[in-house]
Amino acid sequence: DGGITQSPKYLFRKEGQNVTLSCEQNLNHDAMYWYRQDPGQGLRLIYYSQIVNDFQKGDIAEGYSVSREKKESFPLTVTSAQKNPTAFYLCASSIDPRTVSGNTIYFGEGSWLTVV
Amino acid sequence: QQPVQSPQAVILREGEDAVINCSSSKALYSVHWYRQKHGEAPVFLMILLKGGEQKGHEKISASFNEKKQQSSLYLTASQLSYSGTYFCGTGGPYGGSQGNLIFGKGTKLSVKP
Repeated sequence: DGGITQSPKYLFRKEGQNVTLSCEQNLNHDAMYWYRQDPGQGLRLIYYSQIVNDFQKGDIAEGYSVSREKKESFPLTVTSAQKNPTAFYLCASSIDPRTVSGNTIYFGEGSWLTVV
Repeated sequence: QQPVQSPQAVILREGEDAVINCSSSKALYSVHWYRQKHGEAPVFLMILLKGGEQKGHEKISASFNEKKQQSSLYLTASQLSYSGTYFCGTGGPYGGSQGNLIFGKGTKLSVKP
């Protein structure tokens, strides 16, 4: 089945540690995204990538880093510089945001990150 | 600019109707509606591309008024399964970052028996 796979589902991070959230898609979508969701805050864009080897900062990129070495993969690293990383993280993809209907976003199941 | 959704929350009895609004201060080229259950991923419901367009999904339909830069989601004869948080995502001109969707803060819908 085609879809977006995120792992792990639950992750605990100690203060000062970097952690990486995995995201893989087999939908052959060009664009991939990372969103952060906090209660009452909706979906906030961290990073996005429209093509391989290229990515752009979203609204809340500080303390995060990404890479896009393959079309299928868009891992997110939460660095120790992110002071309040406890949240629900959603990876997503779209066919091609440059087209009229291609910017519909499809989401993975999400990853819960907790700082302990 | 983030679109504004209203109301922030609504409680219904089964069978009642509800309307959720999404408005933007910027010109809209598309509006996408999603529903999210707690702890799960948002699920795509529908996309509206043209001014005045209406679409339906089960007993859920939506309209898009390009001139007013707003969209409304209509839930008729609500069912328990309709409970969740509804998000609108608005799209700007295509190309570059403007094609990316910007999401509202969501409307929490609770349907009671």
